[in-house]
Amino acid sequence: DTGVSQDPRHKITKRGQNVTFRCDPISEHNRLYWYRQTLGQGPEFLTYFQNEAQLEKSRLLSDRFSAERPKGSFSTLEIQRTEQGDSAMYLCASRTPGDTGELFFGEGSRLTVL
Amino acid sequence: AQSVAQPEDQVNVAEGNPLTVKCTYSVSGNPYLFWYVQYPNRGLQFLLKYITGDNLVKGSYGFEAEFNKSQTSFHLKKPSALVSDSALYFCAVRANTGGFKTIFGAGTRLFVKA
Repeated sequence: DTGVSQDPRHKITKRGQNVTFRCDPISEHNRLYWYRQTLGQGPEFLTYFQNEAQLEKSRLLSDRFSAERPKGSFSTLEIQRTEQGDSAMYLCASRTPGDTGELFFGEGSRLTVL
Repeated sequence: AQSVAQPEDQVNVAEGNPLTVKCTYSVSGNPYLFWYVQYPNRGLQFLLKYITGDNLVKGSYGFEAEFNKSQTSFHLKKPSALVSDSALYFCAVRANTGGFKTIFGAGTRLFVKA
């Protein structure tokens, strides 16, 4: 069990640029989540995958945000035309099949938009 | 809609004293409840969960939590606090009616003084 890994850990970009984050979940976990966390706040739900299917996308996400999980393994979160308000920690989590499992989080990808 | 309230932004306790971090929730149907801890610049780590059965659940590092259905609460407790327990604590809820979205509270910062 290598845990959930996220890349890059830190990203500094200029406003208007596109950024992409990658998440590799624990291998036997078929459920994958993306959350956003700003300083002093709890994680806010962004989107959820069960295998390769994206089952829900939060209203928090504008259409500048897109997430994929093409083969039901790793996932990417892309932000187009970044804005300063996108600066946050982007957390990925995965969990086992079934209803009762807890989330396993990665260390997060911190985005700073200048 | 699901929601979690953590009424205290910060809890201060002396080392060796008992600690309580409060959490109340709202969910349709019966809940699955979770506590997570976050250390600086780290991802969230799972502490414990309530799924069904005994209202008192025990978790990692000597923490426990008591589920109270009538008060819709799930307070985190520890009989004797350690300085190393100082961290940010998050309560989370997920509906058990086939739901998948885990909703987090805003967090409570625990400060244990030596």
